[in-house]
Amino acid sequence: SQQGEEDPQALSIQEGENATMNCSYKTSINNLQWYRQNSGRGLVHLILIRSNEREKHSGRLRVTLDTSKKSSSLLITASRAADTASYFCATAPWIQGGSEKLVFGKGTKLTVNP
Amino acid sequence: DAGVTQSPTHLIKTRGQQVTLRCSPKSGHDTVSWYQQALGQGPQFIFQYYEEEERQRGNFPDRFSGHQFPNYSSELNVNALLLGDSALYLCASSFGPLYNEQFFGPGTRLTVL
Repeated sequence: SQQGEEDPQALSIQEGENATMNCSYKTSINNLQWYRQNSGRGLVHLILIRSNEREKHSGRLRVTLDTSKKSSSLLITASRAADTASYFCATAPWIQGGSEKLVFGKGTKLTVNP
Repeated sequence: DAGVTQSPTHLIKTRGQQVTLRCSPKSGHDTVSWYQQALGQGPQFIFQYYEEEERQRGNFPDRFSGHQFPNYSSELNVNALLLGDSALYLCASSFGPLYNEQFFGPGTRLTVL
């Protein structure tokens, strides 16, 4: 079963605008990761935020994490046509002894129109 | 530095057949995880291999099995294929099994007719 749920399922914006995607999850986590996938191919790791962190930046990406609300958001600033892709959040559930698996949501399909 | 590689890229099989998918991890990585991604869905964890042993398994039947070799490469085997096994199979590698960033390969697209 999938733990994370991204919102919205689809997002269409113009180049230069900001894109915000949200992720909610159900159980305690060790970390939360965001990935990008182009055209049903391999996933590209974007950013990892640990459960004791609240915000993280990487280039045009900004990720926030609110563990009390079990939610995260990914902001892409000044979007480009090349940002068109599906974006997934993945949680590393915390379990005693350690968890090796990532649990993915269904993704947000972002379209950036030139 | 080669990233994660997978073979083959595409595969077409018929129901009841068996298939083997292969994965070579990124240089320096010792852990391989396998995921199944159905169309329009997020990847689902199948299992992970570390030190040539299966560390953790998702909700997949025993028809799905795997192996890790001493050079850290891995195979995913699926027996008695069903139509529902049609999906993109993704391999991901990492350094160490726990809580780390995973690097994904391009995937193998399996179609079962």
